[in-house]
Amino acid sequence: EDQVTQSPEALRLQEGESSSLNCSYTVSGLRGLFWYRQDPGKGPEFLFTLYSAGEEKEKERLKATLTKKESFLHITAPKPEDSATYLCAVESVATDKLIFGTGTRLQVFP
Amino acid sequence: NAGVTQTPKFQVLKTGQSMTLQCAQDMNHNSMYWYRQDPGMGLRLIYYSASEGTTDKGEVPNGYNVSRLNKREFSLRLESAAPSQTSVYFCASTPGGFYGYTFGSGTRLTVV
Repeated sequence: EDQVTQSPEALRLQEGESSSLNCSYTVSGLRGLFWYRQDPGKGPEFLFTLYSAGEEKEKERLKATLTKKESFLHITAPKPEDSATYLCAVESVATDKLIFGTGTRLQVFP
Repeated sequence: NAGVTQTPKFQVLKTGQSMTLQCAQDMNHNSMYWYRQDPGMGLRLIYYSASEGTTDKGEVPNGYNVSRLNKREFSLRLESAAPSQTSVYFCASTPGGFYGYTFGSGTRLTVV
């Protein structure tokens, strides 16, 4: 059964304090791993798709990496506006749908 | 450039009442999805439509029905609402392949 586990559940950072969020997955043939950002009261917003182990994607202060069993979302020198819940999801080659993790709630304090 | 539009944004139902959640996208996407989001449970797939004219069950379909009215619209119906269906419902669409999903802003439903 396809499964996605995110850790930690919550993370509090001081502005400028870099850190990483983890997404571990088991899937019967990975088609793609997706990262989303979700602000309170809003729908998830697409950030990245990673397709194969060793791949990296960057957007502003965020960098996503992928191995055969997990993905990391690295946040460099975060700002308060980076505060949100970050969701990871996987799609297997056998299906046309995403399986989501429960997310990491990030709070960045000035 | 509206993206994915969901209506209504908020709804309160009494147990046993029925209602339809509406979703429309203007991006000419083939695939559309209905998810529910509950605290500690993440997003769970209710139903999806890989293309116009087709629908399939997801992880939690019991108590729901869907209609893919045309390429733009995908509605979710609760025939007899139950308190366990209290949740935030999200509609999403994608052109397929490796493209990410575009989500609507959600419908917050409370069943009392």
